Amino acid sequence: SYELTQPPSVSVSPGQTASITCSGDKLGDKYVCWYQQKTGQSPVLVIYQDTKRPSGIPERFSGSNSGNTATLTITGTQAMDETDYYCQTWDGSTVVFGGGTKLTVL
Amino acid sequence: QVQLVQSGAEVKKPGASVKVSCKASGYTFTSYYMHWLRQAPGQGLEWMGIIDPSGGTTAYTQDFQGRLTMTGDTTTGTVSMELRSLRSDDTAVYFCARDFGGLSGLSYYFDYWGQGTLVTVSS
Repeated sequence: SYELTQPPSVSVSPGQTASITCSGDKLGDKYVCWYQQKTGQSPVLVIYQDTKRPSGIPERFSGSNSGNTATLTITGTQAMDETDYYCQTWDGSTVVFGGGTKLTVL
Repeated sequence: QVQLVQSGAEVKKPGASVKVSCKASGYTFTSYYMHWLRQAPGQGLEWMGIIDPSGGTTAYTQDFQGRLTMTGDTTTGTVSMELRSLRSDDTAVYFCARDFGGLSGLSYYFDYWGQGTLVTVSS
């Protein structure tokens, strides 16, 4: 079965750029999306089709996908961005999620 | 505005069944596929399957084949998920989530989510 691998945790200083990676075999050949999930809440779609932002998502969120790695980048990270992030793709037969990354802003 | 409102928390014994509902509003119910996902305590997200509310066609992951049934009611704009033969490892928050694609076709990503329903399986 297809697998997506994320680092369990990423740390960033306020105002700096955070990068969260998601790795999978030939992931660049698939579309990737990213969700933000705060504790006790439902996930929120922040990036879809590798690079697109839904309406209402701040411009500081961006995405890329090439080769075996997709990346969620948060530019000018704010304290409110501290939470869990999940990557997700469709492998042709099932929806696959990464294990999630906890972003710490300190 | 789009809203997905799920039914309340459930406590079930092992071997029992649970049915969780998800009432949609604010958009054309039959124009968007609906997915069900779950999240065990402290764990990641797991996709369970999908239903086409317009025709009732469903597809489930192999992990739930034989235990899971999704249904839709176009008169009330509600989709439901029934999971049978519950085990302790079915304890999770269950989410309905709308497929982003709409009339453009299936996208297999999710733009609106229900608030989640905690199902606890315990003897």
